[in-house]
Amino acid sequence: NAGVTQTPKFRILKIGQSMTLQCTQDMNHNYMYWYRQDPGMGLKLIYYSVGAGITDKGEVPNGYNVSRSTTEDFPLRLELAAPSQTSVYFCASKVLGKAGSYNEQFFGPGTRLTVL
Amino acid sequence: AQKVTQAQTEISVVEKEDVTLDCVYETRDTTYYLFWYKQPPSGELVFLIRRNSFDEQNEISGRYSWNFQKSTSSFNFTITASQVVDSAVYFCALGHGSSNTGKLIFGQGTTLQVKP
Repeated sequence: NAGVTQTPKFRILKIGQSMTLQCTQDMNHNYMYWYRQDPGMGLKLIYYSVGAGITDKGEVPNGYNVSRSTTEDFPLRLELAAPSQTSVYFCASKVLGKAGSYNEQFFGPGTRLTVL
Repeated sequence: AQKVTQAQTEISVVEKEDVTLDCVYETRDTTYYLFWYKQPPSGELVFLIRRNSFDEQNEISGRYSWNFQKSTSSFNFTITASQVVDSAVYFCALGHGSSNTGKLIFGQGTTLQVKP
C-alpha cells in the first residue's frame, strides 16, 4: 500500500491564482482530512469528510473548497490564493473502526505552498 | 471547549539524557482519546500512541513511555536515554469520543533537539 499520497510536494503561487492540492489514499478509509500547519504551530483542520459525497468544514475553512466523489480521493481547492495561505498542507485518512473506537489518522507527506 | 496545550516550545538535551514532553488537555467529554505524533525533519507525521479516557495505565514501548493522569488532565511523554534520531517536533492531540467525525485537536508542538 502507498498509504496517503499528496501532490504536488511544493508549489509557488501568485496572489489571485487558483490550484488544487491532490490527496489519494489506497487503504479504503472512510474518513479523510485536510490540515494546514503554519510555522511553529500545530495542525489546524480545514475540511474533513466522513465518506464519499459528505464533506464538512473544520476550524479554518475560509478560502478553500473540497469535494469527495470517491472513497480514495479528497482534493483541496484554493481559489484566489492569498499570502495568508502560505503553509504546509497535510492530508490524512483513517478507518471507520468499530463503534466507540477512535482510530489514529494516517498522514500524507505534505504539500509546501508559498503564495507571493 | 476542547484544547490541547504543549507549554514547552523547544527542548534541547544531550544524547542519553531522559526528557519529558508535557501535554495538558481540556475537554468536557467523559469519553475522549489522546494521541502523540512525531514529525521528524523530513516533515511527515508519524503516529506514536493512542490512549482512551478509560485507560489510565501507563504505557512503555522501548525507550518511550507515556503517563496519563486524568486528575491533572495530562498525557506526558518521556523518552529515556534520548538519541539524535529522536530530534523532531512532537504533537499531542485530542479526539472527543462523542463525535463520529474522528476530528483531532492538536497542540502547538514541542521541538526536541538531541545533541550528540
